[in-house]
Amino acid sequence: DGGITQSPKYLFRKEGQNVTLSCEQNLNHDAMYWYRQDPGQGLRLIYYSQIVNDFQKGDIAEGYSVSREKKESFPLTVTSAQKNPTAFYLCASRMGQNTEAFFGQGTRLTVV
Amino acid sequence: GEDVEQSLFLSVREGDSSVINCTYTDSSSTYLYWYKQEPGAGLQLLTYIFSNMDMKQDQRLTVLLNKKDKHLSLRIADTQTGDSAIYFCAESIAYNFNKFYFGSGTKLNVKP
Repeated sequence: DGGITQSPKYLFRKEGQNVTLSCEQNLNHDAMYWYRQDPGQGLRLIYYSQIVNDFQKGDIAEGYSVSREKKESFPLTVTSAQKNPTAFYLCASRMGQNTEAFFGQGTRLTVV
Repeated sequence: GEDVEQSLFLSVREGDSSVINCTYTDSSSTYLYWYKQEPGAGLQLLTYIFSNMDMKQDQRLTVLLNKKDKHLSLRIADTQTGDSAIYFCAESIAYNFNKFYFGSGTKLNVKP
């Protein structure tokens, strides 16, 4: 079955540590996205990638980094520079222009 | 601009119709989408409408688009308790197809 998979579902991080969230898709989609969701708020775009080895900053990229070495994978690293990283992170992928986005089930990151 | 606005809460009784509203500001929107998010999960596409359409019906769901007023609505007929979730509208922009702009989400509470 085709789909988009995020792991882990829950992640705990100590202050000052970097953590990496995984996002894998087998839909053969070119575009991939990372969003952050805070309670009572909509989705805010962190980074997106249109094609392998290319990615662009979204609206809240500070304190985050990404890579796109393979079409199927778009990992997100939350660095220690991110001041308030506790949130629900959603990954999405899309075939191209004017097509729907498919979402993973999300990763809830908590800083302890 | 890319502002997409929704009211935060809606409460209805089981069996009634629910109407969730959304306004957007970018007139170059090409597709507009409705997504559903259940607690702790990713977003699931419910339906979408192309910007040159006025209405789309899909079983219990009816989408109305007033392009002049930049107003989108989702009507759920015979609302069930399983419809309780957060509903997001999103727009895809013609000049920047790699970005999706989401509203803040409307939390629908269906009372038995």
